[in-house]
Amino acid sequence: DQQVKQNSPSLSVQEGRISILNCDYTNSMFDYFLWYKKYPAEGPTFLISISSIKDKNEDGRFTVFLNKSAKHLSLHIVPSQPGDSAVYFCAARGNAGNMLTFGGGTRLMVKP
Amino acid sequence: EPEVTQTPSHQVTQMGQEVILRCVPISNHLYFYWYRQILGQKVEFLVSFYNNEISEKSEIFDDQFSVERPDGSNFTLKIRSTKLEDSAMYFCASMGGSYEQYFGPGTRLTVT
Repeated sequence: DQQVKQNSPSLSVQEGRISILNCDYTNSMFDYFLWYKKYPAEGPTFLISISSIKDKNEDGRFTVFLNKSAKHLSLHIVPSQPGDSAVYFCAARGNAGNMLTFGGGTRLMVKP
Repeated sequence: EPEVTQTPSHQVTQMGQEVILRCVPISNHLYFYWYRQILGQKVEFLVSFYNNEISEKSEIFDDQFSVERPDGSNFTLKIRSTKLEDSAMYFCASMGGSYEQYFGPGTRLTVT
């Protein structure tokens, strides 16, 4: 099942710079998208979400962009901090129910 | 800040035994979920529960699995006869009025 894909398994960024995490999806019935952050031995922590009727949502240092025609979303973190180092998952909700379909995750490493 | 809690954090069981994983969702949430993550794989949806009944379930959620909300606070996942391939992190999640699902810290199930 590859309905949600995160093609970069890892990303390394210098502290203070921008981190851009990408996610692609194939199912055009997805209508809501979420980003989660996960530390080892913890559950996913909700970060930010976006409805399919919008193309941008911002919350502090985190911005999510949605390009529906390309079936692509991205998470921007500006400025990146060492505490942002974690695995980031994108997830998508279908319009027929609330189950989330997850991508495989991208490990972000922010170097001091 | 309200959070989802799960017990136990780690459960070791022998193949064929029954296990019950417990969750306390966020108190004013009405939608409850179980997901699992096998080591090295994606987070996968198992089941959603609303108004005291299952609203969605995946192919993984076969007759060996059941869920219950035995009282006003707990939400449980039972695996009747565990198999080696049931070894995974099991995450409970709950959702209120928006589409954001909040996850617990997980239970690591090891089947030997």
